[in-house]
Amino acid sequence: KQEVTQIPAALSVPEGENLVLNCSFTDSAIYNLQWFRQDPGKGLTSLLLIQSSQREQTSGRLNASLDKSSGRSTLYIAASQPGDSATYLCAVTGGGATNKLIFGTGTLLAVQP
Amino acid sequence: DGGITQSPKYLFRKEGQNVTLSCEQNLNHDAMYWYRQDPGQGLRLIYYSQIVNDFQKGDIAEGYSVSREKKESFPLTVTSAQKNPTAFYLCASSMIGAKNIQYFGAGTRLSVL
Repeated sequence: KQEVTQIPAALSVPEGENLVLNCSFTDSAIYNLQWFRQDPGKGLTSLLLIQSSQREQTSGRLNASLDKSSGRSTLYIAASQPGDSATYLCAVTGGGATNKLIFGTGTLLAVQP
Repeated sequence: DGGITQSPKYLFRKEGQNVTLSCEQNLNHDAMYWYRQDPGQGLRLIYYSQIVNDFQKGDIAEGYSVSREKKESFPLTVTSAQKNPTAFYLCASSMIGAKNIQYFGAGTRLSVL
């Protein structure tokens, strides 16, 4: 059974710092991996989607990498800002025709001004 | 505005009562999903549907029921059999296929009186 783990559970950094969030998964047979952002009491916003054949994806200050063989992904946030404060969730899509997502427990990020 | 609308934002359930959470989308997506989110845990899949009048159980379907009479609508009923219903419920939709991003609603927070 696929399990997704995110470390650390919480992270606090000063504004301007570069940071890395980690995601690991136990079964390497995935279609893709997504990183989401969740603001308190709100729904999820998709940040980046990495297909299983890709190694990384970039969007603005965000860069996500995928190492399927080792079951790991990282989300790199450059020059962090207070507006980046949120919970970041990673999720993998397993095999089969459905689009079922299996989520990690999330990392709560606080960027201090 | 295109998107996913969940209502109500907050819902309270009395003992022995069934309550229904609404989810509507105007994205013309074929697939719809219901997730439950508990504090400190990732999202867990309750039910999903890939076509009208058809749906499948997710990982934690006990105590819940759904219907898919229209493509745009996928209501979730939390029945009295669900003994621990207090959670944040999120609805999502996507096109069919594992490469497609799921779009999420803003969520409904359910509490027990």
